[in-house]
Formats: sequence, C-alpha cells, structure tokens
Amino acid sequence: RKEVEQDPGPFNVPEGATVAFNCTYSNSASQSFFWYRQDCRKEPKLLMSVYSSGNEDGRFTAQLNRASQYISLLIRDSKLSDSATYLCVAKGGGADGLTFGKGTHLIIQP
Amino acid sequence: SQTIHQWPATLVQPVGSPLSLECTVEGTSNPNLYWYRQAAGRGLQLLFYSVGIGQISSEVPQNLSASRPQDRQFILSSKKLLLSDSGFYLCAWRDRRNSPLHFGNGTRLTVT
Repeated sequence: RKEVEQDPGPFNVPEGATVAFNCTYSNSASQSFFWYRQDCRKEPKLLMSVYSSGNEDGRFTAQLNRASQYISLLIRDSKLSDSATYLCVAKGGGADGLTFGKGTHLIIQP
Repeated sequence: SQTIHQWPATLVQPVGSPLSLECTVEGTSNPNLYWYRQAAGRGLQLLFYSVGIGQISSEVPQNLSASRPQDRQFILSSKKLLLSDSGFYLCAWRDRRNSPLHFGNGTRLTVT
C-alpha cells in the first residue's frame, strides 16, 4: 500500500525558534508534493507546493529528497500563530494519485 | 478567482435519518471533485471523487453515496445515517493538471 508517513508529534517549540519536520513517502513514482496547514476544527489550507529544487516562502522552506523519499518543512522564527497541524500530500499513489499523511501537530509556546 | 462553497457548516442528525451535503465550485470548469471525511483526531479519508458529470469513483464501501448532477456541483448522500458516520466532511476540487487540492469550509456532522 502506498503510504505517506508523518510523526504525529506534538512538537512543542518556543516562540522564535526554528522547527523542522519530515514526511516520508513510499511510492517512488510520486511526482508532486504539497504541505497543508490545518487549524483545529477547520479545513486544510494549502501552505506550499514542493518542487524538486526546493521552495521558499517567507519563513517557510520546503525541500524534496527523492533519493531518500522524503520531503521536509522548515519554519524559521516561529510565531504563536504557526500552531497547527501540518499535512503532507504526495501525488502518484492511491486513489486519483493523492495520498495524505495524518499530520504533524505543532504547538508554539510563548 | 475560484471559490468553493459547502453547506451546511454543522449538522446534527439522528441515527437512521437521511443526509444530503452539497458542494459547488465557481470560477472553473470541469474540475475534479472530492469528498473526504476526517474523524476526530484522525487523518483524511477519501470517500468519493469525480472527474466529470455522472462519473463517481468510490474509495470506501459504506452507506454513503455521491452524485455529480452538474459540472461544478457535488452531492454527498445517505439514506440512513449510522453513528459511525459522524465526522468532519470536506469537499475539495482541483483542476485536471498537476495541481493541489482546494478545500471547502467543511461540514461537521454529529449523528446522535
């Protein structure tokens, strides 16, 4: 079965720190990857797409490592508002090619 | 720009009652449409997806069904709800290229 695996956490991180977490995928044919953010009792919202060359958007950086089959998300200078669950998605396995991880719970502490 | 509307936002239904959740997308044509369910503290479970009018693929056998009567309308239904149907139901769309999903606001269903 094609899987996307994430450490569920929670990651407890002090405000201002840098935090990183990974997501591994089992389907080597996966071609597109995304990170979503989901706040409690809300819908997932697209945070960023992950390109082969990596992708940076302000304090957020996403990287893809095809050889080891994982993608990473780095958050610099973390804010209280970054507290959320971060979902990893890989396209290339599962129904219609989209497979979601179960998410990593991040808590930024003041 | 594209928008997705999903309603109702919350719903409390007794066991055995019917269900109808509706989702519409604006600003795009011929999207792929999806219904997901997220149980409390759990990951997203794909229920149905559709690549065109009248074309429905089911991922999980259960007492739910889906229909796509129009290009940008996706409906999730049940004739008789079970307690286990409680959860957070999310409609989503994406275009036919290699693009990410965009979710509606979701419907929180409680079956009592």
